Amino acid sequence: ETGVTQTPRHLVMGMTNKKSLKCEQHLGHNAMYWYKQSAKKPLELMFVYNFKEQTENNSVPSRFSPECPNSSHLFLHLHTLQPEDSALYLCASSQDLVAKNIQYFGAGTRLSVL
Amino acid sequence: GQNIDQPTEMTATEGAIVQINCTYQTSGFNGLFWYQQHAGEAPTFLSYNVLDGLEEKGRFSSFLSRSKGYSYLLLKELQMKDSASYLCAVRDVGNNRLAFGKGNQVVVIP
Repeated sequence: ETGVTQTPRHLVMGMTNKKSLKCEQHLGHNAMYWYKQSAKKPLELMFVYNFKEQTENNSVPSRFSPECPNSSHLFLHLHTLQPEDSALYLCASSQDLVAKNIQYFGAGTRLSVL
Repeated sequence: GQNIDQPTEMTATEGAIVQINCTYQTSGFNGLFWYQQHAGEAPTFLSYNVLDGLEEKGRFSSFLSRSKGYSYLLLKELQMKDSASYLCAVRDVGNNRLAFGKGNQVVVIP
């Protein structure tokens, strides 16, 4: 149990579907992150939220839409995805955005786009 | 920007010692992290270095040389459960982002 829970763990969707990924952290943290992890590639930062405010969008296509209703919950809304979007999507949280800032990760959602 | 380089895979025997290297280039260094990731699981934090030298934590140690842009993770008394990917990540002082390497897959054999 890492304190960061992601659902679903696996998702298969067609290119015309709309789905959402959910992340919940039970650590009392104020910052939350979405990362994409593709095979043979480094983790790519997608979005950062701090105290519910988006502080970073790392040039992510608009077919990915994040939502952070409170400091404990983070969503990633997906629509009209492409096959190359198939990857492991990881959520992370940290106390805040400063100094020695350990990020704690969830187990991820394995997404397959058909 | 940042450039993080790690070897991709290594095999080691149970009980042995393995050293995983990470070299980096960054415009403003503000700390280096090591994570362990088992297949299908969350990356878990192992160690943090911001000053030069060795940080020891049980069977795992991490070393940093800021002047050389170099770190290593040392795993001692290898166990089968240590088979995992080891991720090196560097924090940039400008934006506090973590930039990750591709990870080094360690396979422990009996």
